[in-house]
Parts: sequence; C-alpha cells; structure tokens
Amino acid sequence: DTGVSQDPRHKITKRGQNVTFRCDPISEHNRLYWYRQTLGQGPEFLTYFQNEAQLEKSRLLSDRFSAERPKGSFSTLEIQRTEQGDSAMYLCASSQPRGRSDEQYFGPGTRLTVT
Amino acid sequence: GDSVTQMEGPVTLSEEAFLTINCTYTATGYPSLFWYVQYPGEGLQLLLKATKADDKGSNKGFEATYRKETTSFHLEKGSVQVSDSAVYFCALSGGDGTSYGKLTFGQGTILTVHP
Repeated sequence: DTGVSQDPRHKITKRGQNVTFRCDPISEHNRLYWYRQTLGQGPEFLTYFQNEAQLEKSRLLSDRFSAERPKGSFSTLEIQRTEQGDSAMYLCASSQPRGRSDEQYFGPGTRLTVT
Repeated sequence: GDSVTQMEGPVTLSEEAFLTINCTYTATGYPSLFWYVQYPGEGLQLLLKATKADDKGSNKGFEATYRKETTSFHLEKGSVQVSDSAVYFCALSGGDGTSYGKLTFGQGTILTVHP
C-alpha cells in the first residue's frame, strides 16, 4: 500500500491555459474524491467517483472543470481556461466504504498557481 | 446545507497542557463525524471518527465524543506535545442522510505547542 499519489505536486500556469492533474488512489479503493482547498480554509468537495461512475458534482465545479476515472483506477481533473481564482490546492482522496464508515485517505495535493 | 464550525485559532499551548478544540455542526440527518490533522508539509490524515451519537473516537491520546444533543464533536487531549503542532480539521459526512461519501470540513484550527 503506497498511499494516494498526485501528480504534479506543483503547477504554475498562465491565465487562460488548460491544466490537468492526476490522482492514483490506493489500489483496492473503489471511491475517489476531489477537493479544493484555499489558504486558511478547509477543503471543499468537488466531485467523486465510485469505480468509473461520477456520482456527484458540487456546484463549485463549473463547466471549465472536468474529471474522469476511465477504468476505475486513476483519475484526472482538468481545468480549462484557468482563472486566477482557480489558484488553490487540489486534493484527491480514496476510500473503500464499509457501512456508514467511509474513511478517506488523502494524497499530498497539487498546488496550482495561476498567474 | 450541512456545515461545520470550529473554534477560531490559532491556539498556542505549552507542552503538557490540556487541549480542547471546539467543533459544532449543522446537519439535517445523522452524520458521521471526523477529525483530520495536517502536519506541516504533509497531507491530511484521519485522526479519529465517530459514526453515531455517544460514540467516542480516540487515537494517539486524542479523544472526541459525538454529542447529538449539542451537535458537537470537540477534540481533547490531556497533555500535548510539540509534535502535535499541526492544523486540525473537523468534518462530517452523510449529514443529509443520503450521501455518506463527501466530507464537509470546518475551516481548520492551527495548533502550536511550545516546549
């Protein structure tokens, strides 16, 4: 078990460019979550997958954001036409729910800076 | 919608002092409650959890009791160490009685422990 990994760890991009982040969950986990965290705040839910199905999306996830989990393993989060307000830490988490218990394990995050 | 409110920080203590970080929540259903910790330079880690009223979660000397009557889940530790310096997040899931996946976080409390 190597934990949840995210790539890249840091990304600096110019406004208007597209960026894509990757998350590799813990191998036996069927749920995968994306969150966004800005400085001094707690993480905010963006979307989650159960296997390859995207089951819920937050209203925070504008149409410039898209997430995929094509084979139920790794996931990608793409932001098109980035804006300065997209600057944040993007966190990925995975879990294998058992009853009411859904312990999520977080990756180290990808820090996005839009200049 | 669901929400979590944590006591404002930062909190500064001397080693071996008693710690309390207050957390209250608003939810329409019966959520599961969590405390996550983020050590400097590291990702979020689950510290403890409770899934029903009156449950007590505990780990590494930290405890929190799920109090439905006061909608609270306060974090306590009898004797803090310098190594406990971190940001602590209270969170809930399943507050609407349907989705036991996505986490709703408080804003976080920075704890600094001095020798």
